[in-house]
Amino acid sequence: KNEVEQSPQNLTAQEGEFITINCSYSVGISALHWLQQHPGGGIVSLFMLSSGKKKHGRLIATINIQEKHSSLHITASHPRDSAVYICAVTRGETSGSRLTFGEGTQLTVNP
Amino acid sequence: NAGVTQTPKFRVLKTGQSMTLLCAQDMNHEYMYWYRQDPGMGLRLIHYSVGEGTTAKGEVPDGYNVSRLKKQNFLLGLESAAPSQTSVYFCASSYPFQGDTQYFGPGTRLTVL
Repeated sequence: KNEVEQSPQNLTAQEGEFITINCSYSVGISALHWLQQHPGGGIVSLFMLSSGKKKHGRLIATINIQEKHSSLHITASHPRDSAVYICAVTRGETSGSRLTFGEGTQLTVNP
Repeated sequence: NAGVTQTPKFRVLKTGQSMTLLCAQDMNHEYMYWYRQDPGMGLRLIHYSVGEGTTAKGEVPDGYNVSRLKKQNFLLGLESAAPSQTSVYFCASSYPFQGDTQYFGPGTRLTVL
């Protein structure tokens, strides 16, 4: 079983829909990251959080430390949101801030 | 600032050939990482460095070597390439704070025939 599990693996939505991507992890962590990988391949960090909730524009990330679960929400989705969204964790005991990644969620938003 | 850059962007090798991938960052980051990304497997850490002159193994280090002679550069070497090393390779860097944001390079697509 992977230490970081994401669901769903693939998600197709219509423009304007509210989207939720889930991430569960099975190890102690110091931080959880959400990243975005566009079709061109580049990877950018969206959020880094260790508790509570963060918001940036139409993106919201939440984490529940007790349940070892995080969600990434996209409000009013747009075709330009189409990308792979990756959840990753920094394990609590890990040196060098190494990340352990989920397999990613492929999101397609249709106009 | 260029951020994190990788050279080359694409490369095709024959089995047994060697090559070096170069990662450079201009953000004065202490930590640097090499990952590989394969379909259905997510990103996996090959090697990492917590400072100039230091390197350490990640999840999948076999067949690769690394060096960090200068703080801004992190080199990944394949001494004798194998088809199993066909992958997309990403370099990343970060500040030395636990869980800090990592900044990724654009990736290198390597094919080993």
